[in-house]
Amino acid sequence: EVQLLEAGGRLGTAGGSLRLSCAASGFTFRSYAMSWVRQTPGKALEWVSTITGSSANTYYTDSVKGRFSISRDNSKDILFLQMNNLRAEDTAVYYCAIVSGLYDYFEYWGQGTLVTVSS
Amino acid sequence: QSMLTQPPSVSAAPGQRVTLSCSGSNSNIGNNLVSWYQQLPGAAPRLLIYENNQRPSGIPDRFSGSRSGTSATLGITGLQTGDEADYYCGTWDSSLSAPVFGGGTKLTVL
Repeated sequence: EVQLLEAGGRLGTAGGSLRLSCAASGFTFRSYAMSWVRQTPGKALEWVSTITGSSANTYYTDSVKGRFSISRDNSKDILFLQMNNLRAEDTAVYYCAIVSGLYDYFEYWGQGTLVTVSS
Repeated sequence: QSMLTQPPSVSAAPGQRVTLSCSGSNSNIGNNLVSWYQQLPGAAPRLLIYENNQRPSGIPDRFSGSRSGTSATLGITGLQTGDEADYYCGTWDSSLSAPVFGGGTKLTVL
């Protein structure tokens, strides 16, 4: 059974940093591209970032480029999201997900972790 | 503002059939594959439909998807109270080079 378990969400301050993690199990982690998708307080879903299985390629939505960094440890089956220079608009529930197809749909989702940024 | 447009809410009676719409443009739905997600209250989103009309294993055939031009539709037959949820469409946007989502439709089964 595929399981994705996020951690690291908490109350942060504008300009500060947070690091999210996502522990994966039940599948061959290194064989799959992974993404972070966030859900705002208004319930909108927004793709944040994707990393290929080998970490060779990473992709980001424009609003987080230069501030967020996605990475993975295939020896421990963990996905990370380093979030720097936080802004109030980064407040959201962050989900890690297995991304499939042409990186255009999200096959499995974790339960999410809440990031709140206070200004 | 979402790239894909969904009606904020839809309601229907148990046992009925309902269709949820998702409208986009040539840069997204018109030239790319569509997916649908169900988010039950308090839960994470779950993939319902991928590649316009494919169901992952475990998704009942009461759920169906279709695409025509720059719009897509999710159909649900034999509505159950357990189908009350938010439903989101998603696709790739070629102009943004990124996956995008609709704003979601809240389905009420009354």
